[in-house]
Amino acid sequence: GAVVSQHPSRVICKSGTSVKIECRSLDFQATTMFWYRQFPKQSLMLMATSNEGSKATYEQGVEKDKFLINHASLTLSTLTVTSAHPEDSSFYICSASGRGHTEAFFGQGTRLTVV
Amino acid sequence: GENVEQHPSTLSVQEGDSAVIKCTYSDSASNYFPWYKQELGKGPQLIIDIRSNVGEKKDQRIAVTLNKTAKHFSLHITETQPEDSAVYFCAASKGSGAGSYQLTFGKGTKLSVIP
Repeated sequence: GAVVSQHPSRVICKSGTSVKIECRSLDFQATTMFWYRQFPKQSLMLMATSNEGSKATYEQGVEKDKFLINHASLTLSTLTVTSAHPEDSSFYICSASGRGHTEAFFGQGTRLTVV
Repeated sequence: GENVEQHPSTLSVQEGDSAVIKCTYSDSASNYFPWYKQELGKGPQLIIDIRSNVGEKKDQRIAVTLNKTAKHFSLHITETQPEDSAVYFCAASKGSGAGSYQLTFGKGTKLSVIP
């Protein structure tokens, strides 16, 4: 199956700083990428959907100025958590799919801890 | 929007027994129903999926059934093994095959297989 690589797998940052998470499709062109957030022992909640070359579509309640998503190429999407606070600590997961795919492929996730 | 309910939230079975997890969905337009296994600290891994033109699908010890009329689908794991222990998520989507698999997840079921 197709491979989606997410980096970093873990990151610790200080409150007030920004952190960038990368999601790459290694062997296919990802026309659509999705970003999810997962709190401990909870389900995955969709944050935003991004299509290559266009602005991301954010779910209700997700601050677009805080969670900046860039999908500049068909193999890379980035999520930047700006001015991070401890409540932003969570597990962030991306998924991607391309034309002709019959499923979405998930990255390994990024554990963000804001101290 | 779509709402996916998943039961039970926790499930313990003896090794070798079967496990069944059930989900219901609300949007009759949903046509793609994947099941994911998530191990601690990792991204979700697709284990089986079913589309609305099929009532049942089987892959070795794993099977999924779909009842479109009742809007529910179930995961069946037979001959459970300790390595099946994980959190399982069902999801629903109006997957178009054009790379757009925006998923709504259930809340997850923590399966424990007791040796």
